[in-house]
Amino acid sequence: SQTIHQWPATLVQPVGSPLSLECTVEGTSNPNLYWYRQAAGRGLQLLFYSVGIGQISSEVPQNLSASRPQDRQFILSSKKLLLSDSGFYLCAWSLQAFEQYFGPGTRLTVT
Amino acid sequence: TQLLEQSPQFLSIQEGENLTVYCNSSSVFSSLQWYRQEPGEGPVLLVTVVTGGEVKKLKRLTFQFGDARKDSSLHITAAQPGDTGLYLCAGARFSGNTGKLIFGQGTTLQVKP
Repeated sequence: SQTIHQWPATLVQPVGSPLSLECTVEGTSNPNLYWYRQAAGRGLQLLFYSVGIGQISSEVPQNLSASRPQDRQFILSSKKLLLSDSGFYLCAWSLQAFEQYFGPGTRLTVT
Repeated sequence: TQLLEQSPQFLSIQEGENLTVYCNSSSVFSSLQWYRQEPGEGPVLLVTVVTGGEVKKLKRLTFQFGDARKDSSLHITAAQPGDTGLYLCAGARFSGNTGKLIFGQGTTLQVKP
């Protein structure tokens, strides 16, 4: 069966510091991968998606970037965090695009 | 911008009551998904509806996709405290060979014992 991991689970970082969140998927090959951000109790905003190694599409101009160095690894990064980057970050995978399966999420607090 | 409007945003009911959550859009979607999310966790896929007019049942949950594939509803019969959570609808749109989900803003359901 497929599983998706995210780490860290929680993170507190000062403004201006770098960020690296990691997502890995097990049990499937060549998945589509997605990064979302969620405000408290609200819907999900798509940040990036990837259909293959090195292929990244950005949905929203922002202070973040994404990379896919391996087939089942997706990384979300920032060189300098802003207060507005705080939120709940979710990684998801899919094979057919419309059925997405989510990881446990990372709670990021920028102070 | 393609929007999915969910209503109500918040719902607090007593155990045993019935409820319906609505998800509406002016856009046509190739499919629509419903997710349930608990605090601090990722959303969990409940159901996918694909065909206009389709109805799916999952125990006490009934999902319906509108005939025009622009709207959907989730009906819960005899709600239980375990149904408490954030319910999200998401519509699928394809661009080239890539599909993306457009999420509604969610409905927070609280079922009191």
